[in-house]
Amino acid sequence: GAVVSQHPSWVICKSGTSVKIECRSLDFQATTMFWYRQFPKQSLMLMATSNEGSKATYEQGVEKDKFLINHASLTLSTLTVTSAHPEDSSFYICSARTMSAGVSYEQYFGPGTRLTVT
Amino acid sequence: GQQLNQSPQSMFIQEGEDVSMNCTSSSIFNTWLWYKQDPGEGPVLLIALYKAGELTSNGRLTAQFGITRKDSFLNISASIPSDVGIYFCAGEETSGSRLTFGEGTQLTVNP
Repeated sequence: GAVVSQHPSWVICKSGTSVKIECRSLDFQATTMFWYRQFPKQSLMLMATSNEGSKATYEQGVEKDKFLINHASLTLSTLTVTSAHPEDSSFYICSARTMSAGVSYEQYFGPGTRLTVT
Repeated sequence: GQQLNQSPQSMFIQEGEDVSMNCTSSSIFNTWLWYKQDPGEGPVLLIALYKAGELTSNGRLTAQFGITRKDSFLNISASIPSDVGIYFCAGEETSGSRLTFGEGTQLTVNP
């Protein structure tokens, strides 16, 4: 199956600093990548959708200036949490999907990144 | 917005028992997906359903796409300890649209 990787798998940062998380599709080209956030014992909440070469579309309530998303290539998307605060501590998961001839294929998820802001 | 109601929230069963969980929606989905998430990991796709009424199996797992397009169920037969985890249903309104996730079912299997 398709493989999606994330880096780092976990990160601890101080309040006020910025953290970048990478999401890569290893064996396919992802026309669309998604970023989710998951709090303990909760479901996945979509933060934003990004298409290669265009600006990300953010879900309601997600601050685009705080969560910067870049999808510069068909295999890489990055999420930067700027001026992180303890409430940003969460499990961040990306997923990637490809489309061909108007047909969308399943989303494949990365292993997630545990962010802890102290 | 879209909401998926997934039940039960948690299940505690003995090894060897069968398990059933389901999801219902307030609106129609064109695709239903079932994922499993282990602690500290991302979700892994188990089964994808694309047609109303479709019944699909993947080993001991069987899932069905409801006729009304507003529900789906997942069955696990002869459970084993490695089935432990959180199972999520997810729906897609149209091809290429965002996924809406259910709240998850935490499965515990006692040896």
